[in-house]
Amino acid sequence: AQSVSQHNHHVILSEAASLELGCNYSYGGTVNLFWYVQYPGQHLQLLLKYFSGDPLVKGIKGFEAEFIKSKFSFNLRKPSVQWSDTAEYFCAVNVRATSGTYKYIFGTGTRLKVLA
Amino acid sequence: EPEVTQTPSHQVTQMGQEVILRCVPISNHLYFYWYRQILGQKVEFLVSFYNNEISEKSEIFDDQFSVERPDGSNFTLKIRSTKLEDSAMYFCASRETGARSNTEAFFGQGTRLTVV
Repeated sequence: AQSVSQHNHHVILSEAASLELGCNYSYGGTVNLFWYVQYPGQHLQLLLKYFSGDPLVKGIKGFEAEFIKSKFSFNLRKPSVQWSDTAEYFCAVNVRATSGTYKYIFGTGTRLKVLA
Repeated sequence: EPEVTQTPSHQVTQMGQEVILRCVPISNHLYFYWYRQILGQKVEFLVSFYNNEISEKSEIFDDQFSVERPDGSNFTLKIRSTKLEDSAMYFCASRETGARSNTEAFFGQGTRLTVV
C-alpha cells in the first residue's frame, strides 16, 4: 500500500540551527512530492514541490528539498531556522489511483519548535 | 491571493447529531477534496469530487458521509450521525485542473470537529 513516513514527530531547535526533516514514501510508480507547512491556526500552505527535473528543489522561506529516487526520500532542509518557522510540516505524495485520478497521501507530520 | 475558506473553524456537536462542514474552494478550481486529521495522526484522504460527482472515496467515507456542491460555490461535507471517533480536523482542498491532470492542491484552514 502507498504510504509516507516522517520519522521525526517533534523537533526542537534553537534559532540559526540547521534543519533536516526526513520523508520516505512507498510507491512504485511516478510520484509527485510536496512539503506543506501549517502555522498555528492557519491552513496548509505549500512550501515546495517536485514534479520532474532537478531533484533539488527550492521553495519559499529558504526551504529546499532533495528527491533521491533510489532511497524513496524527499527530505526537507533549511540551513538556518528562525523562530517564525515554528509550525507543523507535512510531507505528501500525489499518486495516481487506479481510477486515473490523483490523490494526496500525507505523512503524520513533524511538529517543529524553534526556540528564540 | 485566492484561498480556500472553511466554516466554521470549530464545531462542537453531540454524538448522533448531524453536522455540515462548509468550504468555499478557489473560484476557477474544478477538483475538490476532503481530508481529515485525527489528533496526533496523519492527514487522511476522505473523498474527491469532480464534475458534480464523487471521483474517489476512501474506506473511511462510509454511508454516514456525503458531499455536495449545492450552489456552484460551496462544497459541503455532511456527517449524518456523528460518532466520537469523528472528532478530527477536517480539511477541504481544491485544484485548478481536472481529475486526470496533476497540479498541487490548495487547502483551507480546517474545521475542528469535536463530538461529545
